[in-house]
This record gives sequence, structure tokens and C-alpha cells, in this order.
Amino acid sequence: KAGVTQTPRYLIKTRGQQVTLSCSPISGHRSVSWYQQTPGQGLQFLFEYFSETQRNKGNFPGRFSGRQFSNSRSEMNVSTLELGDSALYLCASSTTGTFTDTQYFGPGTRLTVL
Amino acid sequence: GNSVTQMEGPVTLSEEAFLTINCTYTATGYPSLFWYVQYPGEGLQLLLKATKADDKGSNKGFEATYRKETTSFHLEKGSVQVSDSAVYFCALSGSRDDKIIFGKGTRLHILP
Repeated sequence: KAGVTQTPRYLIKTRGQQVTLSCSPISGHRSVSWYQQTPGQGLQFLFEYFSETQRNKGNFPGRFSGRQFSNSRSEMNVSTLELGDSALYLCASSTTGTFTDTQYFGPGTRLTVL
Repeated sequence: GNSVTQMEGPVTLSEEAFLTINCTYTATGYPSLFWYVQYPGEGLQLLLKATKADDKGSNKGFEATYRKETTSFHLEKGSVQVSDSAVYFCALSGSRDDKIIFGKGTRLHILP
């Protein structure tokens, strides 16, 4: 079974631009979560989608948004990029997203904002 | 709110040494506890988990026991290998549909 895939793997943008990251979950998984990983803040939860509905949201500004399609693929969008948005963005999928469910992570998208 | 505290790294050990990475948590109710590992250039992988008090999770020679009385979930391995060099994250999830909260991570270096 193929794992979680994320595209692109690396991205360089400039301040003020916007970016869209994509995540394809494991086949059959309906929950997709997004995380931001930085050296200073560690892993921080962004949001979780289940069956095209946002079910949970972390403490990030409205510049960070996401969506999920009917095939469970998910996209994350960051508008008006800031230097501090430079990070590794990880997505994870699971069958149901319930708290005992194992999350499977993708390799991440490394975003650099100049 | 819920939180996870794990020992800061980096931790450097020689091959075949005994490993302990401490993790304590704060949560209401009965959270599920996890250890994830991140190898260089990769995403996180679930290493082991425990969903109720006194449960012991184990995988690849690693073990951790859910201790409710001390609110701890320390990771141990009897004999580490160079291939165990990675960043280890302790995490918890507090309730149904709750998000997972991660510790800051502990970088482990194993010297041959």
C-alpha cells in the first residue's frame, strides 16, 4: 500500500506570496491532519479534515487554510507569506482520526520564505 | 490544557548502551500516549503507543509504560544501534476527535 505523499517536497517563495501544498493520504484513510515543524516551536497542529469537513483547528492565523476533496486528498494554502512561515509542513492520514488511531506521516514539504 | 514535556537533547550514546528518554504529560482524563521517531529527511513514524494506564507499548526493541501515577511515558531500549540515531517525539491525544500534542523532540546520536 502506498504511503502518504506530499508535493512539492521543496518550495522557495518570497514574502507576500501565497503557496499551496498538497497531500495524498493512504488509500482508504479519510482523515488528514496538517502540522508545522520548526526548530523553535517544534511540531504544531494546524488543522484536521475528515470527509471534506474541517473537524479541528490549531492556533494559527487565518492566512493558513485548507480543504479536503472527495477523494480525501487535501491541500493547504498559506497567503501573504511571512519569513516566520519557513518550516517543514507535514501531513498525516489515518482511518478515522480518532484519538487511538495511528497517524501515518508523509515526508513533508520544506517551505523557505525569503 | 494538555501538554507534553520531554528531556532536551541532544543525547549522545555509544552503541550497545542503555537508552532512556524521559517524557511526562499533563492531561485531564485518560489520554493515549505515543512515541514517534523521525529519521533524517523523513516524516514521523509511529514507534509505539499505549492507550490506558499500565499498558506497555513496544516495537523494535523500544519499550514505554503508561504510568498514570507519575504521569510519565519514558522510552527505553536496552542496547542502542547506530541506526537508532533520529529525533524522538513523545505525544498525547486527550479525547475522542482531539488533536495530538507533541513534545519538542529529543535528538539521539549513537556513536559506533
